[in-house]
Amino acid sequence: SALTQPPSASGSPGQSVTISCTGTSSDVGGYNSVSWYQQHPGKAPKLIIYEVNKRPSGVPDRFSGSKSGNTASLTVSGLQAEDEADYYCGSYAGSNNLGVFGGGTKLTVL
Amino acid sequence: QVQLVESGGGLVEPGGSLRLSCVASGFTFSDYYMYWIRQAPGKGLEWVSYISSNGGDTNSADSVKGRFTISRDNAKNSLFLQMNSLRAEDTAVYYCARRESSATPGFWGQGTLVTVSS
Repeated sequence: SALTQPPSASGSPGQSVTISCTGTSSDVGGYNSVSWYQQHPGKAPKLIIYEVNKRPSGVPDRFSGSKSGNTASLTVSGLQAEDEADYYCGSYAGSNNLGVFGGGTKLTVL
Repeated sequence: QVQLVESGGGLVEPGGSLRLSCVASGFTFSDYYMYWIRQAPGKGLEWVSYISSNGGDTNSADSVKGRFTISRDNAKNSLFLQMNSLRAEDTAVYYCARRESSATPGFWGQGTLVTVSS
């Protein structure tokens, strides 16, 4: 089953916003393999967080990830206009499993 | 730099077939698991298939099992997705992606649009 994300989130420039991603003990809660993706309209998704809280090279440290139990979170600090995008979480779900994605959250910068 | 370039998408009638290709450059293709992931218009991301670095291990989503086949040619730095018995619900942008870690696509191609319609 898909991970659960809020459909929308918003914040003003300079503020912080947190997006949640809720799964089960078979995915989010069972492994430290939660990832987050940013997708601008008409573009391919871009990995911004992997293994719960690691950032790929080039991703600003304004983006951070965490996990507690079956819920993972992405926090975007110091919101900027270019952060307005769709955000998806993903998780490993065990061997021979492809993994699972969340339904996506549209982040609006007010 | 790392590049993944998909091709092969287009308009096909229900029940038809298409073969998607993804050519990789800028990294040692044969070292990486590869993925196909799709996104229906206005919808979220959906796993399609994965293939191990040597092609010996593959898996596909239940929604495409028995209809789609993932393969690779490491000598040509290429990933493929053979799609048969296509349905309207297979309409989507199909992305190829390179594995970063478990179930984590770290680098994505630009995608190729598949439209299944009569």
